[in-house]
Amino acid sequence: DVKVTQSSRYLVKRTGEKVFLECVQDMDHENMFWYRQDPGLGLRLIYFSYDVKMKEKGDIPEGYSVSREKKERFSLILESASTNQTSMYLCASSYGYRETQYFGPGTRLLVL
Amino acid sequence: AQKITQTQPGMFVQEKEAVTLDCTYDTSDQSYGLFWYKQPSSGEMIFLIYQGSYDEQNATEGRYSLNFQKARKSANLVISASQLGDSAMYFCAMRAYNNNDMRFGAGTRLTVKP
Repeated sequence: DVKVTQSSRYLVKRTGEKVFLECVQDMDHENMFWYRQDPGLGLRLIYFSYDVKMKEKGDIPEGYSVSREKKERFSLILESASTNQTSMYLCASSYGYRETQYFGPGTRLLVL
Repeated sequence: AQKITQTQPGMFVQEKEAVTLDCTYDTSDQSYGLFWYKQPSSGEMIFLIYQGSYDEQNATEGRYSLNFQKARKSANLVISASQLGDSAMYFCAMRAYNNNDMRFGAGTRLTVKP
């Protein structure tokens, strides 16, 4: 079974803090994705990566950056957290670009 | 640009009955895949079913089937014999084959009543 794990289920941070969200997959998938989920908006893509050290912006990259130093790990970084970044963050991975994406359990981030 | 529309914010169904969750999409791409995911209250997105745009038959996975009408650009999810554990948010998604960008609808919250 595909397993995608995220470092935290719940996080509380203060405005201006630098926040790291980690995602690890164990299936040697090439593609990894970061989404945020807000009520009524569904999932919106922040960034994705199709290979180590490669990244592409999604729909809402502003205020975020990513890092993929190893194939199995994809990190989302909030350079200076703001209250409007309070959300559910979901990581996903897939083998090829046509393939099904498998999701982690999500991280609920609250920025005070 | 691709757009996914789920017009039902919430749905109720009686246990053991069938329910259809609507999904329409808008794309100019000819090759694409359609996906349905379930998200229980725990938060994890669970993949349910996939339909390719060139698949001639509707996809089925156990109690889930996808009613694919390409000309109408609709990909409705049918859940047969609903169970209490089916209560969750359901998301329709689409990905064109020429890019990595998967688009999600806003979701439908399904509640199964005993």
